[in-house]
Amino acid sequence: DSGVTQTPKHLITATGQRVTLRCSPRSGDLSVYWYQQSLDQGLQFLIQYYNGEERAKGNILERFSAQQFPDLHSELNLSSLELGDSALYFCASSVTGDGNYGYTFGSGTRLTVV
Amino acid sequence: AQSVAQPEDQVNVAEGNPLTVKCTYSVSGNPYLFWYVQYPNRGLQFLLKYITGDNLVKGSYGFEAEFNKSQTSFHLKKPSALVSDSALYFCAVRDPSGYSTLTFGKGTMLLVSP
Repeated sequence: DSGVTQTPKHLITATGQRVTLRCSPRSGDLSVYWYQQSLDQGLQFLIQYYNGEERAKGNILERFSAQQFPDLHSELNLSSLELGDSALYFCASSVTGDGNYGYTFGSGTRLTVV
Repeated sequence: AQSVAQPEDQVNVAEGNPLTVKCTYSVSGNPYLFWYVQYPNRGLQFLLKYITGDNLVKGSYGFEAEFNKSQTSFHLKKPSALVSDSALYFCAVRDPSGYSTLTFGKGTMLLVSP
């Protein structure tokens, strides 16, 4: 157990729907990162939050949004889902906002859009 | 911009033989370099990192990596492979001279045969 908790582990939904993925960072970590992993794109950085504020943005679609709450857990919202959004979504956390000491990853949420 | 290349999609090695998984990077400043491992249906696990100092870095599970600034490489090595080392390996880089998150390579699948 890495200390980073992601729920749900699996999610199957239909095209056009909206889902929310949840992440609780490791205790003491202030920064949360979201990544999408697919066979063709590899591991793509989506967005980072640090202590409640957006810190960096990567290849995140406009249909996707995220936030970090005062208790430091984070949610990734995916809307108007398409078949191509099927992927593994990972959350990672780090103590510092720069991640110089590396990230701790959760075990991921596997999203299947049908 | 920072980038990482893992030139091999797959590396095959027999158990007991030495293994090398290659990684080259591109950053504008001095790099922070990381190796992660991913087992099936699991999140990425930290193996080792290079920040500064000795070019040979030792990490978890008997793995080590050698930082070579002139060749901009950070190859992962292990003197004697185990079947249980079979997994997907990711190299990652961060340029600490500016603000940025970790950039991951596409990953290399390591298959160790008995």
